[in-house]
Order: sequence, then C-alpha cells, then structure tokens
Amino acid sequence: AQSVTQPDARVTVSEGASLQLRCKYSYSGTPYLFWYVQYPRQGLQLLLKYYSGDPVVQGVNGFEAEFSKSNSSFHLRKASVHWSDSAVYFCVLSDSNYQLIWGSGTKLIIKP
Amino acid sequence: DPKIIQKPKYLVAVTGSEKILICEQYLGHNAMYWYRQSAKKPLEFMFSYSYQKLMDNQTASSRFQPQSSKKNHLDLQITALKPDDSATYFCASSQEGLSQNTLYFGAGTRLSVL
Repeated sequence: AQSVTQPDARVTVSEGASLQLRCKYSYSGTPYLFWYVQYPRQGLQLLLKYYSGDPVVQGVNGFEAEFSKSNSSFHLRKASVHWSDSAVYFCVLSDSNYQLIWGSGTKLIIKP
Repeated sequence: DPKIIQKPKYLVAVTGSEKILICEQYLGHNAMYWYRQSAKKPLEFMFSYSYQKLMDNQTASSRFQPQSSKKNHLDLQITALKPDDSATYFCASSQEGLSQNTLYFGAGTRLSVL
C-alpha cells in the first residue's frame, strides 16, 4: 500500500543554518511528489513538485528537494533558513488514480 | 486578493446544531476538495468534486454533506454537530485530475463545537 512518512514531527534549526526535512514514500509506480507548506494560521501552499527528469527540483524561497528512487525518498532542503520559514511542511504523493497521500507533517522551528 | 474564499473564518456552534461552511474559488478550476485539520490528524482528506460531481468521499459520517450549487462553489453542510467535529476545515481546488496539478487552498474555517 502506498504511504508517505515524515519521521520527524518537529525540527529545530538556528537561523542561517542549513535544513533537511525528511520524506520517505512507499509506492510501486512512478510517483508524483510534492512539498506543501502551511504558515501559521494560513492555508497550505505549494513549495515544489516532482514529476520526472532532474531529481533535484527547485521551489520557492530557496527550497529544493531531491528525489531518490533507490531510497524512496524526497527530502526537502534549504541552504540557509530564515525565521519566516517557521511553518509546518507536508510531503505529498500522488498516485495514478489521482489520490493524494499526505505525510503527517513536520513542524519547523527556527531559533534566533 | 485571495482566489479561494472561505466563510466564515471562525465559527462557534453548540452541540447538535447545524452549520454550513462556504467555499468559492475564482481560479477557474473544475475540481474542488474539502480537508480537515485537527490536533488528532494533521490533514485529513474529506471529499473531492469534479465538474460538480462527487468523485471521492473519505468521510465516514453522513453528517457531512458537500453542496455544489455552481461550478466554483463547494459548501460543506455539517449536521448534528459534535465536539469532535472541532477542527479547521480547508477548501481546495485544482484543474482536472490531481496527479500533476497543484492544489490551491483557502485560509480555512476554524470550527469550535461547544
């Protein structure tokens, strides 16, 4: 059965430090993968998406993610975080039936 | 300007009452969705509609009824409200199927049932 796992419920990093949020998926076919972000008291917004091609995809605000078929992963990265990046980040998989499977989310906390 | 409007932003209801959550999208999308977010579940898919027809229903309770009077409207009627229904309800939309298309979310309606 397909699934998305975000193993870290909370991640705390210092402002200016690099970031990696982990996402593992389970899916037998070719996955379409997304990262969404939810800023405090707001709806969700798309950060980036991967369909095929270059495994490293660029998103908004300096975020990127790398798809790895061998590791079944789609980790999100940023070279230098800003306090405004504090939010909850969701990894999402779309299957061939257009069903979205959502990860449980990772809350990112930025220390000054 | 917000392209997906959800009304009201906050809603307080008493147990046993009925409420309607409003959602309108001005993105020209043909697919609309309802999601629920609570302390128990980070994000829970409820319904999807395409061209005003129900495509998927993952909500076990018939107390939740989506209503689509127009292509760009998908309201959510909740009857016999329970405290467990307290959550933030998000409306979303997309173009065609979901596999390659982005979901756009509204800001949500925060429902508290007393």
